[in-house]
Amino acid sequence: KQEVTQIPAALSVPEGENLVLNCSFTDSAIYNLQWFRQDPGKGLTSLLLIQSSQREQTSGRLNASLDKSSGRSTLYIAASQPGDSATYLCAVRPGNDYKLSFGAGTTVTVRA
Amino acid sequence: GAGVSQSPSNKVTEKGKDVELRCDPISGHTALYWYRQRLGQGLEFLIYFQGNSAPDKSGLPSDRFSAERTGESVSTLTIQRTQQEDSAVYLCASSPRQATTGNTIYFGEGSWLTVV
Repeated sequence: KQEVTQIPAALSVPEGENLVLNCSFTDSAIYNLQWFRQDPGKGLTSLLLIQSSQREQTSGRLNASLDKSSGRSTLYIAASQPGDSATYLCAVRPGNDYKLSFGAGTTVTVRA
Repeated sequence: GAGVSQSPSNKVTEKGKDVELRCDPISGHTALYWYRQRLGQGLEFLIYFQGNSAPDKSGLPSDRFSAERTGESVSTLTIQRTQQEDSAVYLCASSPRQATTGNTIYFGEGSWLTVV
């Protein structure tokens, strides 16, 4: 069974600092990995999707890397802003299945 | 519509009552998922629909839970005889043909259920 772990569970940084969020998974036979953002009381917003054949994806201040062999993905957020405060979730889709396995998330607070 | 739409957005119900939650996926998306998220916890898979194939109901926690989908459109999740432990946000998501590369999954805002 795929296990997805996100460390740390919570993170507080001053505005302007770069954020590094980690996601690890136990089964490297994945189809893709997706990062989501969840604001309090809201649903999930897709940030980046990385296919298993890719090493990274970038969108604006966000960059996600994938090292499938070691079972790791990292989400980098450059020059953090208070508006980046949210919970960030990673989800892995297995190579032979459609059910996503989610991590418990990292809750980020960016202090002004 | 432009995104996945869920209704009601909030529902407070008395223990023992039945509730029905609705999801309108993005037009053209053949795959539809229901997930549950209890307060402070991760997402739990409930059920998956893909086109006209038989749904994967393996995540439904009990026989009080059921879900239907008409073709590739609206889905309803029904919880009978609600219990307090059913209190959670129920999230619906859709994606294009699941076998296609680049198939991002899109979530709705969720239906927040409170059983009192």
